[in-house]
Amino acid sequence: QSVLTQPPSVSAAPGQQVIISCSGSSSNIGNNYVLWYQRLPGTAPKLLIYDNDERPSGIPDRFSGSKSGTSANLAITGLQTGDEADYHCGTWDNRLSSLVFGGGTKLTVL
Amino acid sequence: QLQLQESGPGLVKPSETPSLTCTVSGDSVSSGRNYWGWLRQPPGKGLEWIGSIYYSGTTYYTPSLKSRVTIFVDTSKNHFTLRLNSVTAADTAIYFCARHSGSWIYDAFDVWGQGTMVTVS
Repeated sequence: QSVLTQPPSVSAAPGQQVIISCSGSSSNIGNNYVLWYQRLPGTAPKLLIYDNDERPSGIPDRFSGSKSGTSANLAITGLQTGDEADYHCGTWDNRLSSLVFGGGTKLTVL
Repeated sequence: QLQLQESGPGLVKPSETPSLTCTVSGDSVSSGRNYWGWLRQPPGKGLEWIGSIYYSGTTYYTPSLKSRVTIFVDTSKNHFTLRLNSVTAADTAIYFCARHSGSWIYDAFDVWGQGTMVTVS
């Protein structure tokens, strides 16, 4: 069982927007930066968002992150079929003294 | 260009102690600019951080695996190694090595290896 809670799956049509949620607690999301990774089928994870809402160079602005309290969201606009992937949120947990992740959310672009 | 490449046994028997090595090219594990880490993803499950190491040998491990895991770095070979004791079927997973973006354990993993599958059977 993962420390952070994500929906197992989300889906939307091409061109639409989807929001993936990540829920935690005061010992993790509430007091630390949130990260988001994208894992395309058969590939290594790729960093999408760091420090809650910052994008590494090369990540399009269709991807955005936000945080409020003990929850965080990843928004993807202008969905493309190439966005079909698993998305993972992560952060540091002060009580566990460990990096922790959600269970991952599978995005299907219908 | 920075690349990380995992190597490992692939198939191991229960109770064995496999070692996985991450060979780094295009950067130096001893630069002091980064932590280096291991993560895994069991089939159908989410990512799990195993632990990370600094060039000095300072290590951090996730509590649930701390008693069975050792990570060490060989700066002369520019690689770092994960040793996992007494494996069981629950350790079956894709194992990734990755670089933290900075010299803090909290920094994101910005470069990843392709991963290597370890099956315990």
